Amino acid sequence: QVQLVQSGAEVKKPGSSVRLSCMASWDTFREFAIHWVRQAPGQGLEWMGTIIPMAGTSSHAQNLQGRVTIIADESTNTAYLELSGLKSEDTAVYYCARALSDYSFFDYWGQGTLVTVSS
Amino acid sequence: DIQMTQSPSTLSASAGDRVTITCRASQNINTWLAWYQQKPGRAPNLLIYKASNLEGGVPSRFSGSGSGTEFTLTISSLQPDDFATYYCQQYNSLSFTFGGGTKVE
Repeated sequence: QVQLVQSGAEVKKPGSSVRLSCMASWDTFREFAIHWVRQAPGQGLEWMGTIIPMAGTSSHAQNLQGRVTIIADESTNTAYLELSGLKSEDTAVYYCARALSDYSFFDYWGQGTLVTVSS
Repeated sequence: DIQMTQSPSTLSASAGDRVTITCRASQNINTWLAWYQQKPGRAPNLLIYKASNLEGGVPSRFSGSGSGTEFTLTISSLQPDDFATYYCQQYNSLSFTFGGGTKVE
């Protein structure tokens, strides 16, 4: 059964960083792209970035330039999102999602992680 | 970046109604479009990919059409479980842009 299991909720201070994890249940983890999408309270979906473990490549949204890092640990089938310089506007539910390739739809999603940025 | 515009943003309907949601892309995306359903407190769920292909397990009352810049999601006969928010998404370019969502209430 394909599952993406995400880490628990976080509360962070403005200016700090957060690292979220997303563990995949399938064996061929490295062959799929993992994307990160966030959703601010009451708002729509915003794509943040992606990584393809097999290719060792990642990319991210231009508006997050310099603040976002996405990595993958093939030994544990886990992808990570690190967001630095947190602002109150980064308060959101963060989802990871799987895609079959670098340009593909998202067929499975994690359960989401709530990140609250507050002083 | 490619912009995705959905309409309407809110749609009032009753069980049994035929419902149509429109999604427009700011440039040609061929058929590289997906539709997702999201219920409160839940992750989005894939309904349709490549504009008109139904994801496995999705009821046949859902259908998608379109190509280029204009796309539609149709629910042929709205069921109580279908009251949710629907998003389109382009995957033609690296921005993977989502539409603003349509809440069916």
